[in-house]
Amino acid sequence: NAGVMQNPRHLVRRRGQEARLRCSPMKGHSHVYWYRQLPEEGLKFMVYLQKENIIDESGMPKERFSAEFPKEGPSILRIQQVVRGDSAAYFCASSPRQGANNEQFFGPGTRLTVL
Amino acid sequence: GQQLNQSPQSMFIQEGEDVSMNCTSSSIFNTWLWYKQEPGEGPVLLIALYKAGELTSNGRLTAQFGITRKDSFLNISASIPSDVGIYFCAGQMYNNNDMRFGAGTRLTVKP
Repeated sequence: NAGVMQNPRHLVRRRGQEARLRCSPMKGHSHVYWYRQLPEEGLKFMVYLQKENIIDESGMPKERFSAEFPKEGPSILRIQQVVRGDSAAYFCASSPRQGANNEQFFGPGTRLTVL
Repeated sequence: GQQLNQSPQSMFIQEGEDVSMNCTSSSIFNTWLWYKQEPGEGPVLLIALYKAGELTSNGRLTAQFGITRKDSFLNISASIPSDVGIYFCAGQMYNNNDMRFGAGTRLTVKP
């Protein structure tokens, strides 16, 4: 029973390029969450998606960032025209349901470095 | 938004000692969770708490959901070197989609 999968584990981009981060939830989970973690800090919520729907993107920057969770395939977090401040670890979590008693299980993260 | 204050920020202890860390919030949460994160990895769920006053154990770990719903603590008894890592508390409000994380407690265990 595979856990949450994320790839790539490490991603290096130059300023202005695009970054695509992928997340495959645990089997049977249809809810996906993306978080960002800066060094020495806790995780900050970015966006919550169900299949084909963005439910809550209140933590996501309004520009350059987008997320999707298509009917088939992994969830994608896309960062356009990356800047140095985008360098961080991006974690995906999945859960089988939303609301109370909702345990989220995390992937190993993608570490994005912007040169 | 809700703020979680986690303390202490870091702890240096001797193997075999007990450890205690806590989180407080200005808001009420319906769920408290404790995660451990090791270098280069994602957070791993240790304990989940769903009811005010609930006390739950997982091996040498014990966590409690405060009566006021605004705080939680995590205890680790008889620490061992593999307990090293960063421990995060996280709170979730009912029907909220996101979790709020504390800043973490970095634990170092000296053999």
